[in-house]
Amino acid sequence: GQQVMQIPQYQHVQEGEDFTTYCNSSTTLSNIQWYKQRPGGHPVFLIQLVKSGEVKKQKRLTFQFGEAKKNSSLHITATQTTDVGTYFCAGPQNYGQNFVFGPGTRLSVLP
Amino acid sequence: ETGVTQTPRHLVMGMTNKKSLKCEQHLGHNAMYWYKQSAKKPLELMFVYNFKEQTENNSVPSRFSPECPNSSHLFLHLHTLQPEDSALYLCASSQGPSGGSGSSYNEQFFGPGTRLTVL
Repeated sequence: GQQVMQIPQYQHVQEGEDFTTYCNSSTTLSNIQWYKQRPGGHPVFLIQLVKSGEVKKQKRLTFQFGEAKKNSSLHITATQTTDVGTYFCAGPQNYGQNFVFGPGTRLSVLP
Repeated sequence: ETGVTQTPRHLVMGMTNKKSLKCEQHLGHNAMYWYKQSAKKPLELMFVYNFKEQTENNSVPSRFSPECPNSSHLFLHLHTLQPEDSALYLCASSQGPSGGSGSSYNEQFFGPGTRLTVL
């Protein structure tokens, strides 16, 4: 069925190392959203990308939306302990009929 | 953050009980959502309401019954649940409309969730 996948499922990095998570959809997404959920918390919106090939930056975070609007990535430069959490991509598949979340990538940062 | 509140925060219920989860948003949004988050599955969208009208029901069992009396309040009525329904139930809101053919979803603001345990 229609679904959104993310890799890796888990990532452990040393503080200061870079981190990337990839999001792949089985169908075209109208837009892609990224959320962060801290342990014990709730998802918090980070950003939304709408245009094919779009790239946005938020300080150490860089978000990309693929040309085919079926994949996306989140890259964190020089991770910090405050980056710990699970990063989810999400978007409306099937021309907005279904809004689905990826399974998330859980990031651990070792001090 | 107090934009979206949920009560109760924790709930333990038996399979024969009837209970309700409540969500309230203070952001002036028009769309509200119920999600289920369990350890073994991705965040699952259960229901979407736009301007108090249900626009999506993603094949959710009838033992879950949503109610949206106005744009600021959303309820999830629970009855005869199963142990596998134990999960974190999250409410979210966004500026609507959302969902449906040709439309797109906007940034969603989540509440803290209700941790539900069904015995």
